[in-house]
Amino acid sequence: DTGVSQDPRHKITKRGQNVTFRCDPISEHNRLYWYRQTLGQGPEFLTYFQNEAQLEKSRLLSDRFSAERPKGSFSTLEIQRTEQGDSAMYLCASSLAGGELGYTFGSGTRLTVV
Amino acid sequence: ILNVEQSPQSLHVQEGDSTNFTCSFPSSNFYALHWYRWETAKSPEALFVMTLNGDEKKKGRISATLNTKEGYSYLYIKGSQPEDSATYLCALGAGGSQGNLIFGKGTKLSVKP
Repeated sequence: DTGVSQDPRHKITKRGQNVTFRCDPISEHNRLYWYRQTLGQGPEFLTYFQNEAQLEKSRLLSDRFSAERPKGSFSTLEIQRTEQGDSAMYLCASSLAGGELGYTFGSGTRLTVV
Repeated sequence: ILNVEQSPQSLHVQEGDSTNFTCSFPSSNFYALHWYRWETAKSPEALFVMTLNGDEKKKGRISATLNTKEGYSYLYIKGSQPEDSATYLCALGAGGSQGNLIFGKGTKLSVKP
């Protein structure tokens, strides 16, 4: 297992387009998290899954954002009708339930909306 | 709204200096405090997860302490090396959520050779 993988690493899109990001967690980890980081801020929680169940969503996650983890393995995060304010680094992480050993993060997807 | 404060925002030290950072957080409903190191162009890397008041953890030259009653954690680096240059993030697990870590803005450390 090579850790948490995110694809793509970079995405430039025009305002109003839809984008989808993928995250492949560590296979033994049943929890998967999505965070967003903007310049000068710490990562902000978006949502998390335990297996295939989405257990919590942040108020930051507007109805233009949707996340899935259909088989409890990889996850996708889709942003519809992108806005310039969506430009950020989108980080995925995974952990064993409870996160007692910490989260393992991917390298992130940097989204730029022009 | 829970807020996690880190200080200083940035720190420049010489190789060999020892340094420490502070993470402050509201002490109510605490269940865990995480420290991560994030080097440029890499993934955030977990350093410590601390859950008990008075906890002290160590990994090589890096150590951390936790005071949940007064709501702070210190991260110490002994004999800083250029490869320690990174942003150090602390994150609070609190309240009813088991998945929502609240991150501080980080302390950016630069170690000059």
